[in-house]
Amino acid sequence: EAEVAQSPRYKITEKSQAVAFWCDPISGHATLYWYRQILGQGPELLVQFQDESVVDDSQLPKDRFSAERLKGVDSTLKIQPAELGDSAMYLCASSLALAGVWSESYEQYFGPGTRLTVT
Amino acid sequence: AQKVTQAQTEISVVEKEDVTLDCVYETRDTTYYLFWYKQPPSGELVFLIRRNSFDEQNEISGRYSWNFQKSTSSFNFTITASQVVDSAVYFCALRGGGFGNEKLTFGTGTRLTIIP
Repeated sequence: EAEVAQSPRYKITEKSQAVAFWCDPISGHATLYWYRQILGQGPELLVQFQDESVVDDSQLPKDRFSAERLKGVDSTLKIQPAELGDSAMYLCASSLALAGVWSESYEQYFGPGTRLTVT
Repeated sequence: AQKVTQAQTEISVVEKEDVTLDCVYETRDTTYYLFWYKQPPSGELVFLIRRNSFDEQNEISGRYSWNFQKSTSSFNFTITASQVVDSAVYFCALRGGGFGNEKLTFGTGTRLTIIP
């Protein structure tokens, strides 16, 4: 069964350092999402891509966070510089959702996440 | 704005007991979708069910059942004859209908512990 891949699974970094996470969606999934899940809370969307284009990055702290999906396949989320409050689980998800094509069955499939600890 | 409330932070039950997880939502959309996800200790979110706003039929899948009541804006999840493997954090989520509304709004989750 196809899965969303994420790496690394765990990352410990010191504050003010740069950190990057990688996500490889399920093959053929046009839409890719990055969520942040703070301990004890539900995931919150940071950024949504349709192919290589950003659809929604309204909740992305753009002063320190950046995300790219250059070829419309895998994606990288970067934090520079990391702050203590960035400690969280970063989840990637993908779906078949296509611009201009709506289907209620376009589920989001989640990867295992990257657990970031900033010290 | 959309909002999902899961008032139960933690629940513990003895194995084989039934347990219900509550979910209350707020939305101004007339078309919307409700979800339940399971998050085991490994961290990934596992999709359990999707229900659209026009379908208020209850659904049963094995030991799992869901009760959707639009009148009270609730979408509750019941596990019958609970098992230790059901121990996890469960999230209720909401998504609007139509283009550009794929964002999921999650509740804060309910941590379920099944005691052997």
